[in-house]
Amino acid sequence: GQNIDQPTEMTATEGAIVQINCTYQTSGFNGLFWYQQHAGEAPTFLSYNVLDGLEEKGRFSSFLSRSKGYSYLLLKELQMKDSASYLCAVKGNAGNMLTFGGGTRLMVKP
Amino acid sequence: KAGVTQTPRYLIKTRGQQVTLSCSPISGHRSVSWYQQTPGQGLQFLFEYFSETQRNKGNFPGRFSGRQFSNSRSEMNVSTLELGDSALYLCASSLEFRDRGSNEQFFGPGTRLTVL
Repeated sequence: GQNIDQPTEMTATEGAIVQINCTYQTSGFNGLFWYQQHAGEAPTFLSYNVLDGLEEKGRFSSFLSRSKGYSYLLLKELQMKDSASYLCAVKGNAGNMLTFGGGTRLMVKP
Repeated sequence: KAGVTQTPRYLIKTRGQQVTLSCSPISGHRSVSWYQQTPGQGLQFLFEYFSETQRNKGNFPGRFSGRQFSNSRSEMNVSTLELGDSALYLCASSLEFRDRGSNEQFFGPGTRLTVL
């Protein structure tokens, strides 16, 4: 079966760093995606990891450990506009099907 | 380059009716996937089409169906609507890279379906 877990909500302060964790147990694995979704909008791509290690892209970094079934998204220098839901998704072995976690709603406070 | 477009953006139907939603992928993208998003269940995969063939299917009843045309545009149909079908239906398109596993999916704005 497929199981992807991430915290439901997180709160952080503007300018700070926040780490959003994601653990997964899936029958197939061909990469892990992080998406950002603002309320009422479509998800937008943030990062992709298929090998173990850290991928850095500006203020956003994502880490993957395949042996532990674990990933995290790190957001630095938080801005108010980072208040959104962050979705962890695993791509299986067939096609482009993504299995999503429930999403983490991040609230950034001044 | 234009993004993924979905029509209509909002739809209100009553129980028992049927509905057809449309998705136009980014030019050049041949893979189209459909997802249902609800507050309780989050984003759930419905099906994926590639080159007019259904390549993957999620765990939804047979009332949910789809198809893809030769120009990669896709439609999904829900028959005999139930109250629980009220959701945001998202379409996503992607390229196919033979040597890369990313195949990042680009999402459309979604169709908000309300079943009364």
